[in-house]
Amino acid sequence: KNEVEQSPQNLTAQEGEFITINCSYSVGISALHWLQQHPGGGIVSLFMLSSGKKKHGRLIATINIQEKHSSLHITASHPRDSAVYICAAFYTGNQFYFGTGTSLTVIP
Amino acid sequence: KAGVTQTPRYLIKTRGQQVTLSCSPISGHRSVSWYQQTPGQGLQFLFEYFSETQRNKGNFPGRFSGRQFSNSRSEMNVSTLELGDSALYLCASSAGAGLGNTEAFFGQGTRLTVV
Repeated sequence: KNEVEQSPQNLTAQEGEFITINCSYSVGISALHWLQQHPGGGIVSLFMLSSGKKKHGRLIATINIQEKHSSLHITASHPRDSAVYICAAFYTGNQFYFGTGTSLTVIP
Repeated sequence: KAGVTQTPRYLIKTRGQQVTLSCSPISGHRSVSWYQQTPGQGLQFLFEYFSETQRNKGNFPGRFSGRQFSNSRSEMNVSTLELGDSALYLCASSAGAGLGNTEAFFGQGTRLTVV
């Protein structure tokens, strides 16, 4: 049983396109994290949210508690956005589960 | 402000040996968490330490252990290495306790290869 389901697994977009990555989870989370991983392994935390919506520049993250679903949106995508995006859910009971990641390639 | 520092960056060990990895958190951060990333299993949570106490633990065998020192630096130890332990090991530091209410800042990772 995978506590976090992420889609799509792979995504190719043209520069400038609007991108959406989805994440579904089971009940009982305290927080959901969106992470970005570039080739070479370094991970950057993009957002941590437990309700509503957050925005940093061209990135927007939303979470719907009732539907147990979160989305990461990238507006006006750019080749430098190419990376693997990972959602991670922190469950009450102190367990932390990761999605399998979405590999995004933005073509100039 | 320096980021999270992991040492060494790369390591090659032989089956049956043990290994110790080190993580120095961001100054002032008291929480360190550890993760394993493999192509087959993806990212998995190992454990979290806060103020020298293990707060949370993932589903890994007892060969995986860790500790945190009074200066918040943390070490992770894997004993009796197996080929399947080959992975990227990442640590993250947080200002507060609990990954449920605080942002995590990740190090660059230690890539361990077991031969």
